[in-house]
Amino acid sequence: DIQMTQSPASLSASLGETVTIQCRASEDIYSGLAWYQQKPGKSPQLLIYGASSLQDGVPSRFSGSGSGTQYSLKISSMQTEDEGVYFCQQGLKYRTFGGGTKLELK
Amino acid sequence: EVQLVESGGGLVQPGRSMKLSCAASGFTFSSFPMAWVRQAPTKGLEWVATISTSGGSTYYRDSVKGRFTISRDNAKSTLYLQMNSLRSEDTATYYCTREELGGFDYWGQGVMVTVSS
Repeated sequence: DIQMTQSPASLSASLGETVTIQCRASEDIYSGLAWYQQKPGKSPQLLIYGASSLQDGVPSRFSGSGSGTQYSLKISSMQTEDEGVYFCQQGLKYRTFGGGTKLELK
Repeated sequence: EVQLVESGGGLVQPGRSMKLSCAASGFTFSSFPMAWVRQAPTKGLEWVATISTSGGSTYYRDSVKGRFTISRDNAKSTLYLQMNSLRSEDTATYYCTREELGGFDYWGQGVMVTVSS
């Protein structure tokens, strides 16, 4: 099974700050990676698919990059509404999620 | 507007069965693979099962193989999850999701399943 490891587990950022979350796969997943945001009490929302494609309706301050086993999600200017938990997910072999990164406003 | 509405959750004793349903609307249901994803209280997300557009292919995580069955009725635009031999570790919110390009692009509101005596 492909294992997904996210880092950090939690972080806090100030308004306007750039935030980066990392995700590492246990083997090459050939850009088969998605990112989600989940707010308390809500269902997850797809942000990025195919490692770098922005889902319709998602603000352009979100971006994804990476290849092979290393991927990252960047928020270019932290906003209040960006607080939540972020998950990565591989879609190459079955489906596996990372453990999540809790993002808070400093 | 895409909508996925789950039903059928609740409290069930260990070893018993429960069936979840997901009514889909706002898109051509038969054109998309569908999946169930669960989340235990205060925990992360865990993929449970996926079914192909026709229902001819199904995939499960190891911990539910042989106990859970995913199915669909394209005429009714409805997804199902039959859960047998339930265990305490199956306690979670279960989300119905639409699969697209290797990810899950639409999610239902979730339905809680609690396995306890």
